[in-house]
Amino acid sequence: RKEVEQDPGPFNVPEGATVAFNCTYSNSASQSFFWYRQDCRKEPKLLMSVYSSGNEDGRFTAQLNRASQYISLLIRDSKLSDSATYLCVVTLHYGGSQGNLIFGKGTKLSVKP
Amino acid sequence: EADIYQTPRYLVIGTGKKITLECSQTMGHDKMYWYQQDPGMELHLIHYSYGVNSTEKGDLSSESTVSRIRTEHFPLTLESARPSHTSQYLCASSEGSGFGYTFGSGTRLTVV
Repeated sequence: RKEVEQDPGPFNVPEGATVAFNCTYSNSASQSFFWYRQDCRKEPKLLMSVYSSGNEDGRFTAQLNRASQYISLLIRDSKLSDSATYLCVVTLHYGGSQGNLIFGKGTKLSVKP
Repeated sequence: EADIYQTPRYLVIGTGKKITLECSQTMGHDKMYWYQQDPGMELHLIHYSYGVNSTEKGDLSSESTVSRIRTEHFPLTLESARPSHTSQYLCASSEGSGFGYTFGSGTRLTVV
């Protein structure tokens, strides 16, 4: 089983739509969680951290369910500029690879006019 | 404004040549990483370092080598480039456990 699993998509949505991405992780000891965004042929960039209580940044809302080992990202009122690949990321703070981020394969989003 | 720099951005080179991809960061981060990524595919960790004189191999076996003589500098070397090395190479650094990574803009390598 992959450590971080995401639906690869692509998700093709019209402008203004609400879209949700889901992610599951296998290691219950994972301690930090992030969503990264990667544009085509560019480097990944941190979109937002994910906190246990859930957090919001403008049109973006991230949720964490530790019991189910599940992370989500909700994008409201999607824009053309939201088209990108969204990477779910988890990390352990200890162990042999302490602090190394574990990246999912990413979910591709395409927002159409 | 980038705090982590990779050079060159693009490199086309012949088979058998030795190449070094440069990565430097100005943030004083101890942890640095090299990833390999083919177009439309997932990131693969090939090397990482937790500080000066510390280097480890990542999850994906790679014929490349790295060195960490200075905190800010983490170069990657291929002794003899082959077409199978054609890919994008991304360098990243981190403040520590629990923090995200900052990535450089990448080097797109083509071996002909």
